[in-house]
Amino acid sequence: NAGVMQNPRHLVRRRGQEARLRCSPMKGHSHVYWYRQLPEEGLKFMVYLQKENIIDESGMPKERFSAEFPKEGPSILRIQQVVRGDSAAYFCASSRQVSNQPQHFGDGTRLSIL
Amino acid sequence: GESVGLHLPTLSVQEGDNSIINCAYSNSASDYFIWYKQESGKGPQFIIDIRSNMDKRQGQRVTVLLNKTVKHLSLQIAATQPGDSAVYFCAETLNNDMRFGAGTRLTVKP
Repeated sequence: NAGVMQNPRHLVRRRGQEARLRCSPMKGHSHVYWYRQLPEEGLKFMVYLQKENIIDESGMPKERFSAEFPKEGPSILRIQQVVRGDSAAYFCASSRQVSNQPQHFGDGTRLSIL
Repeated sequence: GESVGLHLPTLSVQEGDNSIINCAYSNSASDYFIWYKQESGKGPQFIIDIRSNMDKRQGQRVTVLLNKTVKHLSLQIAATQPGDSAVYFCAETLNNDMRFGAGTRLTVKP
């Protein structure tokens, strides 16, 4: 039973380019969450999605950032016109549909902006 | 509310000793709590959870205590081993909405 799969593990972009981060949830999980982590800091919530729906995007910047979780395929976190401050580790987690279930995390994508 | 980025507090223990990691959570309505372990270069790994209708739960070498009166959560690790060295995060949840604490770095000295 594969865990949460994120790719790529490392992504390098130049300022102004677009970054696409992918996340395949665990089998049977219909809830996906994205978090951002800076070195030596905790995880900061960005967005919570169910299939084809954004449930809570209160932690995601209004500009340049978007997320989707289509009916088929992985969840995508998209960052347009990246800036140096976007450099961070981005983690995806998934959980089952019922409440009070732990979120299971992937090993993250480390985004570096040159 | 959101977790705020802070420099990680650290805890250093001798191998074989017991460790206690503490966490203050923010929302008195949170009804589900989780402890995660994060090793360098990896994602957070689930350790143990507890629901708000409980005040103690035990796992293998780990115990979680919940004090709702003061909104405090602790993780106790018995007979700490070098492999326990990592950053530990508590998380509080309400309706699938999870927020992380700032984390504690545990270092185990051989």
